[in-house]
Amino acid sequence: ETGVTQTPRHLVMGMTNKKSLKCEQHLGHNAMYWYKQSAKKPLELMFVYSLEERVENNSVPSRFSPECPNSSHLFLHLHTLQPEDSALYLCASSLRWSYQETQYFGPGTRLLVL
Amino acid sequence: ILNVEQSPQSLHVQEGDSTNFTCSFPSSNFYALHWYRWETAKSPEALFVMTLNGDEKKKGRISATLNTKEGYSYLYIKGSQPEDSATYLCASNTGNQFYFGTGTSLTVIP
Repeated sequence: ETGVTQTPRHLVMGMTNKKSLKCEQHLGHNAMYWYKQSAKKPLELMFVYSLEERVENNSVPSRFSPECPNSSHLFLHLHTLQPEDSALYLCASSLRWSYQETQYFGPGTRLLVL
Repeated sequence: ILNVEQSPQSLHVQEGDSTNFTCSFPSSNFYALHWYRWETAKSPEALFVMTLNGDEKKKGRISATLNTKEGYSYLYIKGSQPEDSATYLCASNTGNQFYFGTGTSLTVIP
């Protein structure tokens, strides 16, 4: 166990649904990340939060909306998704937002958009 | 977008064999190179973070080297065991971005 949990582990949603992914870390870290892995593609960094402030947003469509209410929790709100958004969504945390900090990953949420 | 490439894409080795694979990355604007081990249905697990040219890191039977001038890192596994079967990912950090490779999938045959 890495100390980072994600719920749900699997999610099927229609294009008109609204759902949220949840990530929680019990490591006392101050930085949290959302990654997306589509089939046969590398992990792509979506969002970075440091001390609950968003510091990176990598041109992610607005149908993905992150929220970081405190340093232990990170959400990804999903609405009007497209089938091509089907992917594995991974959350990670690190002690600080720094290029040399080790990131600790959760197990991911496997999302299928119909 | 930074191109981080890993080779081979997959390999099968016999238990007890030693093996190695490569991560290539652009050498400009380099800050750090991360290696992760990702077993199926589990979370990616950090192995090493390397920042300096010539860095060598070791964890048990796994070690890694870094050449920032030519833009590559090698991961070595000595005496492979079935529990080493996993996908090995590398990621290059440019300061505020992480760029991952697609991984090398290792299967160790008992």
